[in-house]
Amino acid sequence: DAMVIQNPRYQVTQFGKPVTLSCSQTLNHNVMYWYQQKSSQAPKLLFHYYDKDFNNEADTPDNFQSRRPNTSFCFLDIRSPGLGDAAMYLCATSRDKAKETQYFGPGTRLLVL
Amino acid sequence: SQQGEEDPQALSIQEGENATMNCSYKTSINNLQWYRQNSGRGLVHLILIRSNEREKHSGRLRVTLDTSKKSSSLLITASRAADTASYFCAPHGGSNYKLTFGKGTLLTVNP
Repeated sequence: DAMVIQNPRYQVTQFGKPVTLSCSQTLNHNVMYWYQQKSSQAPKLLFHYYDKDFNNEADTPDNFQSRRPNTSFCFLDIRSPGLGDAAMYLCATSRDKAKETQYFGPGTRLLVL
Repeated sequence: SQQGEEDPQALSIQEGENATMNCSYKTSINNLQWYRQNSGRGLVHLILIRSNEREKHSGRLRVTLDTSKKSSSLLITASRAADTASYFCAPHGGSNYKLTFGKGTLLTVNP
């Protein structure tokens, strides 16, 4: 089945130690998104790729970076995780921008010690 | 970007009862989408209703849209314990690609 896959489901890192979260999709969608969701809060968009075109949200901290080496894969890099970065990170895709349904992966829960 | 506000924030019902959740938004939209999130999981798209539609059904789900009042409602009929989840609305308007989610409605269906 076509899907959005996130690995790992749980990630533990140390304060200040770089960490990378992975997302892959078999839907062949043009757009990939990364959201951050803290407990009992709304998912917050960090950035998205439209094909290779990277779009950063204005309030996304510089500590967060992303890479999309090909259509199928997208990575979220957190350069120096702080305690406040502990959250669920959700990857999503859509066929195209605007008016389109988004398909979400199961999420990676990040714990910062 | 456009953000929906869901109401109520939390809803607790018995299995078999109907659950109604509401969403309000501020500016004109192209469509409005509803998503479900089970605890600790990703969001799952439930239904999309376009601005020229007033009502849409999918299984036990019924969504209405009133663009004059800038509001939408999601009705789940004959609820089941498995319907326990958070429900988010995402109004989509103009040329903005983004879906901006509100805090959602936490629905608890008691067996």
